[in-house]
Amino acid sequence: EPEVTQTPSHQVTQMGQEVILRCVPISNHLYFYWYRQILGQKVEFLVSFYNNEISEKSEIFDDQFSVERPDGSNFTLKIRSTKLEDSAMYFCASSEGDANNSPLHFGNGTRLTVT
Amino acid sequence: QKEVEQNSGPLSVPEGAIASLNCTYSDRGSQSFFWYRQYSGKSPELIMSIYSNGDKEDGRFTAQLNKASQYVSLLIRDSQPSDSATYLCAVNRWSNYQLIWGAGTKLIIKP
Repeated sequence: EPEVTQTPSHQVTQMGQEVILRCVPISNHLYFYWYRQILGQKVEFLVSFYNNEISEKSEIFDDQFSVERPDGSNFTLKIRSTKLEDSAMYFCASSEGDANNSPLHFGNGTRLTVT
Repeated sequence: QKEVEQNSGPLSVPEGAIASLNCTYSDRGSQSFFWYRQYSGKSPELIMSIYSNGDKEDGRFTAQLNKASQYVSLLIRDSQPSDSATYLCAVNRWSNYQLIWGAGTKLIIKP
């Protein structure tokens, strides 16, 4: 069964450094998402991406965050200058249609630890 | 009022019994409802989706939707220890296609 893949599974970085989290969505999916989950807390929406542009973003997704689809398969989340509070699990998801009609399929996540 | 509310639990159910998980939502325009299961340290995994009032069954799982009362529930029959996880309710926000997530209910199935 097709799946969303994320790399790396665990990333440790120092405060102030840039990180890029990578995702390969399911190939025939058109909508892509990033979510994060701080340990013990709820899943939080960051951004959705469709047709090569951001369709929605949350207040968490400030100027320090950016997303890119550099080629036909990868979908990346960049955090320019990491803060301690960015430590969380970051989940990439994709869906065939928009979230009104199509379930999201999640990758296994990247655990980001900012020291 | 939170947009999607779930009892955080933990909900403890004996093995073989029916586990009942509930979720209420505030956006009357919501049309799509999803239940995800999340094991500790893992990503959410889709269990059920439901779009119209009534019951939808898939194996041991039944999702129930009541739009008039703005609640959606998940029943797990013949509960197994492997069902022990956090169950997340997600509801679409009609205005901008965004999924709104509940905080999840932790379910513990006792052998």
